[in-house]
Amino acid sequence: GENVEQHPSTLSVQEGDSAVIKCTYSDSASNYFPWYKQELGKRPQLIIDIRSNVGEKKDQRIAVTLNKTAKHFSLHITETQPEDSAVYFCAATRSSNTGKLIFGQGTTLQVKP
Amino acid sequence: NAGVTQTPKFRILKIGQSMTLQCTQDMNHNYMYWYRQDPGMGLKLIYYSVGAGITDKGEVPNGYNVSRSTTEDFPLRLELAAPSQTSVYFCASRWTSGNSPSYEQYFGPGTRLTVT
Repeated sequence: GENVEQHPSTLSVQEGDSAVIKCTYSDSASNYFPWYKQELGKRPQLIIDIRSNVGEKKDQRIAVTLNKTAKHFSLHITETQPEDSAVYFCAATRSSNTGKLIFGQGTTLQVKP
Repeated sequence: NAGVTQTPKFRILKIGQSMTLQCTQDMNHNYMYWYRQDPGMGLKLIYYSVGAGITDKGEVPNGYNVSRSTTEDFPLRLELAAPSQTSVYFCASRWTSGNSPSYEQYFGPGTRLTVT
C-alpha cells in the first residue's frame, strides 16, 4: 500500500524567511496530494493541493511542487509570519481508491518574530 | 451550514468500556471517513463510507465498528476500550461524483478520548 514520508519533523525559521517541507510517496499510482495545516487543538484544514497532471501550484505565499518521476512533493511558504506556526501534514491518494488519504507524520513549523 | 460536527469533545473511558463517537455532516456529502491521530503523529484511517449502507475498513480498523444508515451520520463504535485507543478522533466528509470528482475532505473538530 501507499506510504508517505515527511521531513523535517520540526522546522524553525525567522519571520520573513522561507520554509520548505518535503514528502515522498511510494505508490506511483497516487495522483492527488493535499497539504493540511493544523493549529494546536484544532482540526486539519486544507491549505493547498495538487494533482498529478500539474507540476506546480501557487496560492499567494504558498506553493506546492510535484516531481512524479522521483515521487516527491514539497510545500513552500514564503515571507513566513508568526501565524504560519502550526503542524503541517502532507497526504497522498489515488482517485481510484475512494479518496482514502495516507498522511505523512507531520512537520511542526515555528516562525520566530 | 454547521459542516461536520462531532460529539463528545472529550471523554475518559475505563478499560473494557464501550462508547459511540458521533459524527454528522449537513453538506449532503456522500463520502465519510474516520481517522485517529496519536500524539505527534499523522492521521490514520480507521473506516470509511462511500454512501449510506456502505462501509469499509481503512488502515487501522481493529477494535472499532461503524455504520452508515443515513447520508448525514457516521457513528464510530468502540467495543472493549483499550489504552492503545487513547487518541484524538477526527471525522471527515467529502462530495464527489463521476462527472466532477473532488478530493477535498472537510474535517470535524475532533473527539479527544482517553482510556485508563
